[in-house]
Amino acid sequence: DTGVSQDPRHKITKRGQNVTFRCDPISEHNRLYWYRQTLGQGPEFLTYFQNEAQLEKSRLLSDRFSAERPKGSFSTLEIQRTEQGDSAMYLCASSGAAGEETQYFGPGTRLLVL
Amino acid sequence: AQKITQTQPGMFVQEKEAVTLDCTYDTSDPSYGLFWYKQPSSGEMIFLIYQGSYDQQNATEGRYSLNFQKARKSANLVISASQLGDSAMYFCAMREGGGGTSYGKLTFGQGTILTVHP
Repeated sequence: DTGVSQDPRHKITKRGQNVTFRCDPISEHNRLYWYRQTLGQGPEFLTYFQNEAQLEKSRLLSDRFSAERPKGSFSTLEIQRTEQGDSAMYLCASSGAAGEETQYFGPGTRLLVL
Repeated sequence: AQKITQTQPGMFVQEKEAVTLDCTYDTSDPSYGLFWYKQPSSGEMIFLIYQGSYDQQNATEGRYSLNFQKARKSANLVISASQLGDSAMYFCAMREGGGGTSYGKLTFGQGTILTVHP
């Protein structure tokens, strides 16, 4: 049973560039979450998918951010026109159906915007 | 107001001794879940233990136990027989709302860095 995977693990980009991250959840999990974690802080919720439907978005998710889960399996998080304040760890988590709520996290993508 | 408060920025413990990491929470929802995660320097969040608001017994998972005091709104993590590999950041998190109806997003505390000395 493979866990949650994320790609890439590290990304360095210049301000103004677009970046895209991918998350592959645990295969039987229909719930998928994205979180952002800045240095010294706990993760903060960004958005949630149940199957392919994006059901909740945090106000942290500005217009420059977009997330998709086209076939209810893997998900992508895109940041357009990156800013230095976007530098953070982006964590993906997945969980099973209601009643199996534990979220299992991937290794994260560490983004540095220069 | 903070929903999850971890008042200990750092804790030190001697190998093989027990340590308690504090967590208090704030919610008016009668149905909620409390989680503890471990985050080593590699960055991955590792699930440790879960306590539901309606659970009568304190949760235990191996060397981890959760001291759940509902009236005080506290959910402290107890690690028994500490090991060097326990050195990491520990996060307390809460999910508000019933699992069947809520979206399940987690709210995390600021974390506690645990250092285990040999």
